[in-house]
Amino acid sequence: AQTVTQSQPEMSVQEAETVTLSCTYDTSESNYYLFWYKQPPSRQMILVIRQEAYKQQNATENRFSVNFQKAAKSFSLKISDSQLGDTAMYFCAFMKPIQGAQKLVFGQGTRLTINP
Amino acid sequence: DTGVSQDPRHKITKRGQNVTFRCDPISEHNRLYWYRQTLGQGPEFLTYFQNEAQLEKSRLLSDRFSAERPKGSFSTLEIQRTEQGDSAMYLCASSNYGAIDTEAFFGQGTRLTVV
Repeated sequence: AQTVTQSQPEMSVQEAETVTLSCTYDTSESNYYLFWYKQPPSRQMILVIRQEAYKQQNATENRFSVNFQKAAKSFSLKISDSQLGDTAMYFCAFMKPIQGAQKLVFGQGTRLTINP
Repeated sequence: DTGVSQDPRHKITKRGQNVTFRCDPISEHNRLYWYRQTLGQGPEFLTYFQNEAQLEKSRLLSDRFSAERPKGSFSTLEIQRTEQGDSAMYLCASSNYGAIDTEAFFGQGTRLTVV
């Protein structure tokens, strides 16, 4: 079974700073997907960024980028120029593609606070 | 609004009572998922449907839990004889069958408190 571990329960940075959230996972699969989801307070979870394991290039979405180290089974999220609206719980998630089903295995989450 | 909708948003029930939650997915999505999220933890997969067929159930889904998606549109999750350990946020998500990298869209969840 796959497991996802986020070792930082909470993080706090000042607005405009760069912050990196850590995630490690364990799997014997070679083909899989990794995700970072954001869950703002009292709002629904939304996808931040996605990485396919077969792609060597790290995914980037505007201020969000990942550092994907397949051999180390590490998948960190970097948020540049952090904004107050980035305050949320962040979840790392693993998916083994089975006919496209989004059966996700989530980590415990990191609570990120951006301070003004 | 074309997002995933869940009802009710909050439910408080006494131990031993039955509760039912509803999820309305994004209209063109044929896959629907239920997850459970306890305080301080990430969501855990419970079950998913493709159209009206329930394709997988987690071991977390005890006999007291049942999920349906009768016409391949909305889904219900029923918990019978609720226990305090059932207190959690129940999340629904939907996606489109097809491309592997299709995104799952989540609802705001139903928070269940069993007293």
